[in-house]
Amino acid sequence: DIQMTQSPSSLSASIGDRVTITCRASQDISSFLNWYQQKPGKAPKLLIYGAFRLQSGVPSRFSGSGSGTDFTLAISSLQPEDFATYYCQQSYSTPLLTFGGGTKVEIK
Amino acid sequence: EVQLVESGGGLVQPGGSLRLSCVPSGFTVSSNYLSWVRQAPGKGLEWVSVIYSGGSTYYAESVKGRFTISRDNSKNTLYLQMNSLRAEDTAVYYCARYNYGNLILDYWGQGTLVTVSS
Repeated sequence: DIQMTQSPSSLSASIGDRVTITCRASQDISSFLNWYQQKPGKAPKLLIYGAFRLQSGVPSRFSGSGSGTDFTLAISSLQPEDFATYYCQQSYSTPLLTFGGGTKVEIK
Repeated sequence: EVQLVESGGGLVQPGGSLRLSCVPSGFTVSSNYLSWVRQAPGKGLEWVSVIYSGGSTYYAESVKGRFTISRDNSKNTLYLQMNSLRAEDTAVYYCARYNYGNLILDYWGQGTLVTVSS
């Protein structure tokens, strides 16, 4: 099974900060990596797919990079609505999907 | 507009059974891939199962042999039959459309809570 490890598990940041979250796969997954945002009490929302492709309607301050085993989600200038938990998810081993443990972004 | 609405959650005793339903609007269950994903209280996301448009089904090891995913095309409804429930199955269960072209879960329901407790 492919394991996904996110870091950090939580972080505190201020409005306007640049934030980066990393995700590491236990084996090469090429670019089969997606990122989701989840707010409390809500369903996850797709942000990035295929490692770097921005889902329609997602602000351009979100970006994704990486391939193989190491991936990054970046938020260029943190906005109040960006405080949430972020999950990476691999689809290399489809149909068996795996999520990372999540990164909670909190207000400093 | 695409929407998915889950129902059927509730309190069940260990060893009991429950059937969840998910009704999409804006697309048909028969021509799409559909998944269940769960989230234990305060925990992360866990993929549970998927049914392909052709009818093939797949499960996470943690639920294999206990859960069954199915659909009723005439009712445009997705199901998750959960048997031999355990305390660790307690979670919010989401149904989601699996876009096989981009390998993404692109539309999600609001979730339904299943609590396994005596």
